[in-house]
Order: sequence, then C-alpha cells, then structure tokens
Amino acid sequence: QKEVEQDPGPLSVPEGAIVSLNCTYSNSAFQYFMWYRQYSRKGPELLMYTYSSGNKEDGRFTAQVDKSSKYISLFIRDSQPSDSATYLCAMNFGNEKLTFGTGTRLTIIP
Amino acid sequence: NAGVTQTPKFQVLKTGQSMTLQCAQDMNHNSMYWYRQDPGMGLRLIYYSASEGTTDKGEVPNGYNVSRLNKREFSLRLESAAPSQTSVYFCASRVPGQGETQYFGPGTRLLVL
Repeated sequence: QKEVEQDPGPLSVPEGAIVSLNCTYSNSAFQYFMWYRQYSRKGPELLMYTYSSGNKEDGRFTAQVDKSSKYISLFIRDSQPSDSATYLCAMNFGNEKLTFGTGTRLTIIP
Repeated sequence: NAGVTQTPKFQVLKTGQSMTLQCAQDMNHNSMYWYRQDPGMGLRLIYYSASEGTTDKGEVPNGYNVSRLNKREFSLRLESAAPSQTSVYFCASRVPGQGETQYFGPGTRLLVL
C-alpha cells in the first residue's frame, strides 16, 4: 500500500464548475500538507500548503485537511480552462522529505 | 531571480553512456533535491542535500551519483545509463519557513535507448 493515494483521473468538468481533488494517506505522523499544480511539460508549482488539520483559502482555491480521517482535499471554485493541469498532493513529517501522490489530471472544458 | 534552473532540457543517450544533469538555484536555499517522475509513479526522490558538503540517498538512488558543488549547484550523474532511467528529472530546493515546501525547476527529459 502506498503511503499517499491519489485518484489519477482523468477528471473532466465544464468551465465554472466546482472541482474537488482528494488524497488519502496512511501515516498519521504527516504534519504539512501541500498541493502542487503541474502544467504539461513543466515543473510542479506550489499552490498551497497547510499545517495539521483545518481549512485554508486562497482566491478560488481551498485546501482542507482532516487528520482524523487521513484525508486531504483541494477545491477549485469557478473553474477556468487555465486550471487544466495535473494536481499533485504532497506531505511530510516536518523534515527534508516530501511524499507525493501520483497526481490527478484535470481538464476544464470551455 | 531565475529560481531553479536545469540543463539540459532534453537529452538522448545510448545504453552505457554517461551524463551529468546540472541544477542551480539563486534563492540561497540550503537544501536541494533530485526527483524522477514516471507515469503512474509520481515524483520519487533520488538524492538530496541538506547543506553544502552533505548528500543523502532518497527512495531510488541506485544507478545515480550526486555532487553538491557549492550552495547554488547540485548535479546528478548517470555513470552508465540504462533504459530504465528514461524519465523526467526535476531538481528542487526547499523554501525555509514555508512548511518544508519545495520549489521546482523546469525538468530535464531523458531518453535512454
């Protein structure tokens, strides 16, 4: 069993829809939780990070962490074609190493 | 600031050839990392360097060597390339004080024939 599980998709939604992306994890010691966006043939770029449980909002993006369920989510409101990308969740124990999910490919249909 | 830069962008090698992937960051970060990304496998850590002069193995170090030349530069060497090393390689550096997040370079696409 992988430490971090992420549905690979692909996920296609119409423009303007709310998108929900999710990851589950097995190690309760993870402390920091991140979401990266990766456009085709580019490097991952950090969208948001959170520490421990709770919500964090940044514009159209909201990250949620539920440590009791070992479940993290990224919500995208009013989705745009420019949001089409692969979204990677990542987490760590507060040390050097990040553990990544395999990524979910998202397409926003105009 | 250029951030994290990687060279080359793309390379084709024959089995058994050697090459060095170069990475440099201009953000004065202490920690730097090398990952490979393969379909369905996500990003896997090859080696990392917590500071100048130190390196440590990650999840998939076999077949690779690294050098932390100075604070800015961290190179990855394939001594005898194998088809299994066909992948996209990313270098990253760690952003202090931001939840251990990492800043990634644009990647090097490597094809080993």
